[in-house]
Amino acid sequence: DQQVKQNSPSLSVQEGRISILNCDYTNSMFDYFLWYKKYPAEGPTFLISISSIKDKNEDGRFTVFLNKSAKHLSLHIVPSQPGDSAVYFCAAALKGSNYKLTFGKGTLLTVNP
Amino acid sequence: DVKVTQSSRYLVKRTGEKVFLECVQDMDHENMFWYRQDPGLGLRLIYFSYDVKMKEKGDIPEGYSVSREKKERFSLILESASTNQTSMYLCASQQGVETQYFGPGTRLLVL
Repeated sequence: DQQVKQNSPSLSVQEGRISILNCDYTNSMFDYFLWYKKYPAEGPTFLISISSIKDKNEDGRFTVFLNKSAKHLSLHIVPSQPGDSAVYFCAAALKGSNYKLTFGKGTLLTVNP
Repeated sequence: DVKVTQSSRYLVKRTGEKVFLECVQDMDHENMFWYRQDPGLGLRLIYFSYDVKMKEKGDIPEGYSVSREKKERFSLILESASTNQTSMYLCASQQGVETQYFGPGTRLLVL
């Protein structure tokens, strides 16, 4: 049973426009959410996170929104840049589980110049 | 900055061989993890460890074992490599809070 779902395997946007990556989860006990970015042949790098007590967290061009009632989060990148082209993974953590992360399958973002 | 290193970037092994993948972190983190990444399947947790000599199975432990004799080192062992274990293997470390830091990955090909 997939508890964290990224339903779009890929997304293509133009440079300068907004990229919106979506993630849904089924376990209401998740209390912390993260986004990781991964380039080919490299390990994932942490991008941004949000606690379940918040509904928005912003860091420069990156903003994560959390809608707990819908069990949905999204990552907004504005403006998108070609260097943002990568696979983005959504992850969720259960409090009290040694913060073991459950990952989605990833979305490949391509930003076209 | 946290540094997580993995012993090899690329490995080619034969079916039936015993394979050791090493991971070392330099930040005295308590928790360490092994994942595999496959196209269309995302990151799947194989094993994790929250202390020296402690280990717990993740979602796909079959065919793998682990060893954590020292806090900074977490080894993944493929007892008898099979072709379906061809994958990208990623190690991560974490201290208490939720952010995990990943190594560069080992791309393993089993022939």
